[in-house]
Amino acid sequence: SQKIEQNSEALNIQEGKTATLTCNYTNYSPAYLQWYRQDPGRGPVFLLLIRENEKEKRKERLKVTFDTTLKQSLFHITASQPADSATYLCALENSGYSTLTFGKGTMLLVSP
Amino acid sequence: ETGVTQTPRHLVMGMTNKKSLKCEQHLGHNAMYWYKQSAKKPLELMFVYNFKEQTENNSVPSRFSPECPNSSHLFLHLHTLQPEDSALYLCASSQDGSGRYNEQFFGPGTRLTVL
Repeated sequence: SQKIEQNSEALNIQEGKTATLTCNYTNYSPAYLQWYRQDPGRGPVFLLLIRENEKEKRKERLKVTFDTTLKQSLFHITASQPADSATYLCALENSGYSTLTFGKGTMLLVSP
Repeated sequence: ETGVTQTPRHLVMGMTNKKSLKCEQHLGHNAMYWYKQSAKKPLELMFVYNFKEQTENNSVPSRFSPECPNSSHLFLHLHTLQPEDSALYLCASSQDGSGRYNEQFFGPGTRLTVL
């Protein structure tokens, strides 16, 4: 069956360090993958989209990689700040349907 | 903030009540979605509307009834709900539900509690 796995345990890091979050998937062949940020009690906010033929995508302090062989995406936040504390969701396209399936998300806590 | 608004933000209802959730998007998008988010679970896609036509119903119980009168408005009508239906209900929109590579814009959600 199809599965999207993100670390269920919260990731605690110190301000200024690089945070790396993982998204692994099985039995999918997504044409693209998206990352969202969700704060408590609010809806997710789109961050980045990476296509299957792209190895890496950057936006300011954010970097996403996509390895279709390993079936894995890594999401990096460099020079992390306490304001980056949130839950980060990866979402995969459902092939041919243009809808998304979301992972459970990983909570990131950045301490000063 | 995102261009997608939802009302009410909080709703408490009994199992015999009938209520409706409302979503409105001001982005000129053509696709709208309802998701359910329960604690410790991933977002679950419930319904998809593309150009006002329902294109997906993810085996949602009939006690949830969507309505999309135009591309800007989406409703979720609720009746005879169960306590396990308590969750955060999120509405989202995207440029085109049949296009690819479209990011989704989410509303703030309605926190529903069923007593």
